[in-house]
Amino acid sequence: QVTLKESGPVLVKPTETLTLTCTVSGFSLSNARMGVSWIRQPPGKALEWLAHIFSNDEKSYSTSLKSRLTISKDTSKSQVVLTMTNMDPVDTATYYCARILDRLRPNWFDPWGQGTLVTVSS
Amino acid sequence: QTVVTQEPSFSVSPGGTVTLTCGLSSGSVSTSYYPSWYQQTPGQAPRTLIYSTNTRSSGVPDRFSGSILGNKAALTITGAQADDESDYYCVLYMGSGISMFGGGTKLTVL
Repeated sequence: QVTLKESGPVLVKPTETLTLTCTVSGFSLSNARMGVSWIRQPPGKALEWLAHIFSNDEKSYSTSLKSRLTISKDTSKSQVVLTMTNMDPVDTATYYCARILDRLRPNWFDPWGQGTLVTVSS
Repeated sequence: QTVVTQEPSFSVSPGGTVTLTCGLSSGSVSTSYYPSWYQQTPGQAPRTLIYSTNTRSSGVPDRFSGSILGNKAALTITGAQADDESDYYCVLYMGSGISMFGGGTKLTVL
């Protein structure tokens, strides 16, 4: 059974850096076909794709957030880490990680983690 | 910047058929964008319905189908049921590693 689980702080202050971890099980981050994406959803709003990473360390970032995002992985720990700098209240959202099933179709996400709500407030 | 467009809301009667669409603010959606569709109920993580335009994810009932209609991707629900009442999101692969979600469609079954 494939699962992904997000972890990280519930509350961060404005200007701080957010670090989120996605721990996966049931598949390997060394699988050449698969990858992991991060996606977020502000309360009551739409989903927004943030970044992805593949086994060969190929990475891509949202154009609008690229300067603030870094994605990395630790294959031995089955973890994918997302950092977002200079957090602002508008970054308050549920952050999801999801498996990408085919690197040639990187918008095919399945399954998704349960998500973790991050609130940005002083 | 190009935006992925979806109807903000739609309603369908139980047993009816509804088609939700996914377009581009500039240009046409084709199979090259590998449109995929996700269903989300309040408080839950999204569930994969359709990928690569028209392939149903494992366990998805065949009353959900995907296609290209004109210049948009489309999700059709045939024989709508009460538990289909959800938010539906499409996501397109824009190339160069970039994926982009639409704004979502809130579907009401009544």
